[in-house]
Amino acid sequence: DTGVSQDPRHKITKRGQNVTFRCDPISEHNRLYWYRQTLGQGPEFLTYFQNEAQLEKSRLLSDRFSAERPKGSFSTLEIQRTEQGDSAMYLCASSLAPGAGNQETQYFGPGTRLLVL
Amino acid sequence: GQQVMQIPQYQHVQEGEDFTTYCNSSTTLSNIQWYKQRPGGHPVFLIQLVKSGEVKKQKRLTFQFGEAKKNSSLHITATQTTDVGTYFCAGQPRYSSASKIIFGSGTRLSIRP
Repeated sequence: DTGVSQDPRHKITKRGQNVTFRCDPISEHNRLYWYRQTLGQGPEFLTYFQNEAQLEKSRLLSDRFSAERPKGSFSTLEIQRTEQGDSAMYLCASSLAPGAGNQETQYFGPGTRLLVL
Repeated sequence: GQQVMQIPQYQHVQEGEDFTTYCNSSTTLSNIQWYKQRPGGHPVFLIQLVKSGEVKKQKRLTFQFGEAKKNSSLHITATQTTDVGTYFCAGQPRYSSASKIIFGSGTRLSIRP
């Protein structure tokens, strides 16, 4: 058990609907990442936070996607007006930012599997 | 753009045989990480390599980081059925301002008992 939790684990929605996913990182971790993984591919970076600040978003990320981490703890990822191409596993990972003697290691949650009909 | 390529895509071996997966980056990396993902599961961190030419071992697993810090390999000696899964390398580009890591497409290992 890595300690990162995600909710829900599965989501089925109709095209055009909005969905929101939640990630609870390991409590002492200050970085939080969102990835998307499709079948047969490695996880693809979407965005990441350090504390409550969103420091980078992938250029591939449509403006229908938005992520927040309001208090620097849990994070939400919202997809508006879902499309069939959004069907994927959405993974969250958390880590401690690298520092003196510390190399960053990302720990993944179980993911939320989204199916858009 | 920055890419991390992994070969082979699939490997099917007899239990007890060795297995190797190779990872190549289009750019120099600060470090490389290896993850294992079981079917239906999520990526689980295995190891991180930082130094040029570094070799690390975990029981039957041997990880190498190339001298130029652009390639890496994972070798499993005498595979067991518990080794089944997809192995991903993930590199952090050296000159990237971002903290993101770029995953390869993975090598899926299956084993004949």
